[in-house]
Amino acid sequence: SQQGEEDPQALSIQEGENATMNCSYKTSINNLQWYRQNSGRGLVHLILIRSNEREKHSGRLRVTLDTSKKSSSLLITASRAADTASYFCATPPRGGGTSYGKLTFGQGTILTVHP
Amino acid sequence: EAQVTQNPRYLITVTGKKLTVTCSQNMNHEYMSWYRQDPGLGLRQIYYSMNVEVTDKGDVPEGYKVSRKEKRNFPLILESPSPNQTSLYFCASSSVAGGTEAFFGQGTRLTVV
Repeated sequence: SQQGEEDPQALSIQEGENATMNCSYKTSINNLQWYRQNSGRGLVHLILIRSNEREKHSGRLRVTLDTSKKSSSLLITASRAADTASYFCATPPRGGGTSYGKLTFGQGTILTVHP
Repeated sequence: EAQVTQNPRYLITVTGKKLTVTCSQNMNHEYMSWYRQDPGLGLRQIYYSMNVEVTDKGDVPEGYKVSRKEKRNFPLILESPSPNQTSLYFCASSSVAGGTEAFFGQGTRLTVV
């Protein structure tokens, strides 16, 4: 089963509105990462939040992390048509060992921003 | 420019014909991995490598092979491709396994007929 589960699966908004996507995960983590994927293209890293952080900002992006609820949210403010993409959360397993580098991705949220 | 380069971008092949998808990174990263992306199944890890000559299976390794003879290269080999390996493949690299951002290639869309 997927470590990360995004919600909603699809989100359609107008330009200028805010978009909020949520991610839940099952096991303890060291960090949680958000990626963007334009249709059929490679994933691009957006932001990484560590388990001892509660909130992080990067430009129009705001990420929160609640380790007690095992959930994270990604907020994109003042959305633009160019933000149209799929957004994924990803988590590496906590602890060492050779599996440490494995990122487990959720199913993603498809965001459509209408001009 | 920091990048992960995959080739080819698109490939149509026939069942059973061996093929290799190349992946190269110019960031001196230790950690590299291969993923496949399928509708409804998301991204699943095929194989990963912690460093030169150190590789291990991910979630869906059946039907694939990898090698890591040089730090920068991590080719994915399909010895006898089958139609169920039709998918979008991504190579990724990172400097610290799981602790920092991963850089992804542009993807290889493989169709096996």
